[in-house]
Amino acid sequence: ELKVEQNPLFLSMQEGKNYTIYCNYSTTSDRLYWYRQDPGKSLESLFVLLSNGAVKQEGRLMASLDTKARLSTLHITAAVHDLSATYFCAVDTSGTYKYIFGTGTRLKVLA
Amino acid sequence: ETGVTQTPRHLVMGMTNKKSLKCEQHLGHNAMYWYKQSAKKPLELMFVYSLEERVENNSVPSRFSPECPNSSHLFLHLHTLQPEDSALYLCASSQQPNLPYEQYFGPGTRLTVT
Repeated sequence: ELKVEQNPLFLSMQEGKNYTIYCNYSTTSDRLYWYRQDPGKSLESLFVLLSNGAVKQEGRLMASLDTKARLSTLHITAAVHDLSATYFCAVDTSGTYKYIFGTGTRLKVLA
Repeated sequence: ETGVTQTPRHLVMGMTNKKSLKCEQHLGHNAMYWYKQSAKKPLELMFVYSLEERVENNSVPSRFSPECPNSSHLFLHLHTLQPEDSALYLCASSQQPNLPYEQYFGPGTRLTVT
């Protein structure tokens, strides 16, 4: 059974600080997705990582994928309050439509 | 309308009621999904339709019945629900099998079963 684990589950950080969210998954997959969800809102796609070593950056967020380690990271640089949200990673199994989501990391950036 | 829309946004229903959730995607995608999001639980995939054919059914109780009349519309029919079915129900769409398989989500329907 494919499992996706994120840590930490909760993260409270000061503005201006850096931090990393980790996403581990249990089976082979070359496709890893990061989503953001604001309270009471839907999921918004942030990054799609499609191969080993893929790195994508948007603003203060950078995502990377290591398929050999079955690990993706979402790095936050110089956090600002607007980044407060819940971040999900998801993996899909090749040849199926099955997307498995992690438990989410609830990020709170304190002013 | 753009993206993925869902109606209603909020629904309160009794355990003996019958109601339906509606999802419409305006992206020209060929796959649509229903997810359940409960507090303190990961997003759970319920159903997947590709080209109006159901391709995934994740052991969902029969009190949830999906319908996909065409590639733009998806329904979730609800009957005799239980209080533990209260959750946010999210619809999503994607274009399969073209990469990057990214999913686009609707705003969700917040369901409360009393």
